[in-house]
Amino acid sequence: DTGVSQNPRHKITKRGQNVTFRCDPISEHNRLYWYRQTLGQGPEFLTYFQNEAQLEKSRLLSDRFSAERPKGSFSTLEIQRTEQGDSAMYLCASSLGFAETQYFGPGTRLLVL
Amino acid sequence: AQTVTQSQPEMSVQEAETVTLSCTYDTSESDYYLFWYKQPPSRQMILVIRQEAYKQQNATENRFSVNFQKAAKSFSLKISDSQLGDAAMYFCAYRRVSNTGNQFYFGTGTSLTVIP
Repeated sequence: DTGVSQNPRHKITKRGQNVTFRCDPISEHNRLYWYRQTLGQGPEFLTYFQNEAQLEKSRLLSDRFSAERPKGSFSTLEIQRTEQGDSAMYLCASSLGFAETQYFGPGTRLLVL
Repeated sequence: AQTVTQSQPEMSVQEAETVTLSCTYDTSESDYYLFWYKQPPSRQMILVIRQEAYKQQNATENRFSVNFQKAAKSFSLKISDSQLGDAAMYFCAYRRVSNTGNQFYFGTGTSLTVIP
């Protein structure tokens, strides 16, 4: 399978703990996006990378959130000091260029207790 | 700011019948892309169909077609000969034509039920 993969698929954590998610994009795709999706809503943009450069961040991405894409390959999204409001599905997508369709991964479902 | 509105939270259709899902959007730009994505239960989002705003011809993909009304800022999805596998959440999405800021703006989705 050469699609976008995300790990873990599910994460349960206690409030105040840190969590890290990983996204592996389609291998030749240079753009990578993170979205957050809460129940009953469409995905909301968090941030995106072109190669290793983080070019845009949404105001939804508070200072507790940080994302990296070392070497322009996989990406990680870390949430520090998790809060119950962080409970959501975190989606990753990748594309070959700005004009190209974004392909989504299966998501990581986070539950903060 | 761009907004995408899907006014039908839920829709149902009889198997083999046709259903149309509505989407409107707000933008001040003249060129952009519009998409319909499908998200089956507990499965990842997949692209259904894509439309470039500069193209007057409506996009079609097999049983899926769109009615793109640029002046009205409307982008509806028609599913013909509905199948059980079409049951899913459908999201309409907008994206700017730009080398930056090309994230998607999604609507809140329409849950489609297909009745056997």
